[in-house]
Amino acid sequence: AQSVTQPDIHITVSEGASLELRCNYSYGATPYLFWYVQSPGQGLQLLLKYFSGDTLVQGIKGFEAEFKRSQSSFNLRKPSVHWSDAAEYFCAVGAGYGGATNKLIFGTGTLLAVQP
Amino acid sequence: DGGITQSPKYLFRKEGQNVTLSCEQNLNHDAMYWYRQDPGQGLRLIYYSQIVNDFQKGDIAEGYSVSREKKESFPLTVTSAQKNPTAFYLCASSAPGTGSGANVLTFGAGSRLTVL
Repeated sequence: AQSVTQPDIHITVSEGASLELRCNYSYGATPYLFWYVQSPGQGLQLLLKYFSGDTLVQGIKGFEAEFKRSQSSFNLRKPSVHWSDAAEYFCAVGAGYGGATNKLIFGTGTLLAVQP
Repeated sequence: DGGITQSPKYLFRKEGQNVTLSCEQNLNHDAMYWYRQDPGQGLRLIYYSQIVNDFQKGDIAEGYSVSREKKESFPLTVTSAQKNPTAFYLCASSAPGTGSGANVLTFGAGSRLTVL
């Protein structure tokens, strides 16, 4: 069965510091991988996605993520964090085929706090 | 602008009452989804629908019901059978087909239900 693990529940970084949020997945085939961001009391916004091809994907707001098949990971990175990046981040995995499985499995989220 | 509208934003319910959460989209998406979000548990799928007049149970469908009479609308009813209904509910939709675009979810802003 598909599953997603985000091992860090809460992370605090200083503004201007680099950021890496971890995501590991379990899936029997090549997955579709996503990172979403959620501000308090709001819906989720797509940051970036990986379907195939280049394993380093660029997203919005200066974020990027790298798909590493050997490690079953899809970690999210940003070279310099801004205070407005404080939010909760969700990694998700989806089936890449099959009309009956057009649904995503989400990790439990990582809450990012940014200190001045 | 296209998007997903959820209403109400906040809803209070007495125990034993059914409540219905509205979800409307103007993205011309075929598939729609309802997720429940609880602190520390990420998003869990309640129901999803890939086409009008058809829907399937997700991972936590007990105590919930849905209908899909129109492509644009996918209301969720939280029944009195749901033992712990206090949560944040998110509606989402995705593009038609089975390709990569079908896995990209667009979310509404959510509805917070509190049982008094």
